[in-house]
Amino acid sequence: GAVVSQHPSWVICKSGTSVKIECRSLDFQATTMFWYRQFPKQSLMLMATSNEGSKATYEQGVEKDKFLINHASLTLSTLTVTSAHPEDSSFYICSLGGNEQFFGPGTRLTVL
Amino acid sequence: GQQVMQIPQYQHVQEGEDFTTYCNSSTTLSNIQWYKQRPGGHPVFLIQLVKSGEVKKQKRLTFQFGEAKKNSSLHITATQTTDVGTYFCAGPRAGGTSYGKLTFGQGTILTVHP
Repeated sequence: GAVVSQHPSWVICKSGTSVKIECRSLDFQATTMFWYRQFPKQSLMLMATSNEGSKATYEQGVEKDKFLINHASLTLSTLTVTSAHPEDSSFYICSLGGNEQFFGPGTRLTVL
Repeated sequence: GQQVMQIPQYQHVQEGEDFTTYCNSSTTLSNIQWYKQRPGGHPVFLIQLVKSGEVKKQKRLTFQFGEAKKNSSLHITATQTTDVGTYFCAGPRAGGTSYGKLTFGQGTILTVHP
């Protein structure tokens, strides 16, 4: 299966700052990657689909201006949480693949 | 929209006991997938079921896909402490632009007491 990395694995930031999370595919070229958010003891909620070379598509209720996604190459997608607030604190996970999805290790964001 | 429901939310068992989690979709699924997430970890693919009524086994794990392709179950025989984690079912979204998109069930958090 595909090997997916995420950076950073955890980040603590102050309210109002922006945080960039990287998702890299180490051995697979992905035209599409997915970004999920997971709150403690809850399920994974799909936030958006990252499309290489074109705009991301966002799920209903997800603010595209707050969660900026860039998929500049076939191996890298980035999610930037802009003007982060405490309610944005969560576990952010990317995935890629076809029917079988391969997940990155996740990034735990804490906004103070 | 499509909903995937999973029960129970929590399950505590003694080591050696069996465990089952159930998954129901509001829509017919082309396939269903199961993932395991260890505490503090990320989801890891376990299996995909495609055919109506399909049953697959992986050692102590047995996966079933319902005849109507709307429900599924995961059964673990004689649980071990290494089985601890959250088990998610997930179904693909319908539609041509939805390839790879998954709708996850709420997950069942399994605790195994030694």
